[in-house]
Amino acid sequence: DSGVTQTPKHLITATGQRVTLRCSPRSGDLSVYWYQQSLDQGLQFLIQYYNGEERAKGNILERFSAQQFPDLHSELNLSSLELGDSALYFCASKRLTGLNTEAFFGQGTRLTVV
Amino acid sequence: LAKTTQPISMDSYEGQEVNITCSHNNIATNDYITWYQQFPSQGPRFIIQGYKTKVTNEVASLFIPADRKSSTLSLPRVSLSDTAVYYCLVGENYGGSQGNLIFGKGTKLSVKP
Repeated sequence: DSGVTQTPKHLITATGQRVTLRCSPRSGDLSVYWYQQSLDQGLQFLIQYYNGEERAKGNILERFSAQQFPDLHSELNLSSLELGDSALYFCASKRLTGLNTEAFFGQGTRLTVV
Repeated sequence: LAKTTQPISMDSYEGQEVNITCSHNNIATNDYITWYQQFPSQGPRFIIQGYKTKVTNEVASLFIPADRKSSTLSLPRVSLSDTAVYYCLVGENYGGSQGNLIFGKGTKLSVKP
């Protein structure tokens, strides 16, 4: 158990719909990262938040948005869903304490758009 | 952001030592080298991290030559359960506010009986 919790584990929805994925980081971790992984593809970095503020942006579509709340949990919102958005979505958290060694990943949310 | 190059795939047999090399020619002075392992449908898991020379833990060893332009992840006596994708990351790694976490395509290791 990495200590990072993602909900829901599975999600099936129709094209054009909007969904929200939730990530609870490890206790004390200030940074949250979101990734998308399509079938047999690598991890695509979407966005990073640090202590409530957006810190870095990757290949995140305009239809996608995220935020980190005061309690440090984060949500990734996906709207106007398309079939190609079907993927595993991972979040990871990292601590801010001097030399930081590793990020901890959640088990992911598998999104299927039909 | 240092670009990394690793083999797309490797095959091995149980009990063998596996060495996966990552090239990072434009590594910067402050960059660390970190390796992650990912099983199918699971999130990546940290394996090892180093700055120079050699680092060893209970899972693997990491060899980094003096010029730091490459690194080699060494997995001793692999088993079927080591079949996974291995990612090499290079970047500054101090402080959670930065902490580069950009993954390349990784190396898909297949261990056969």
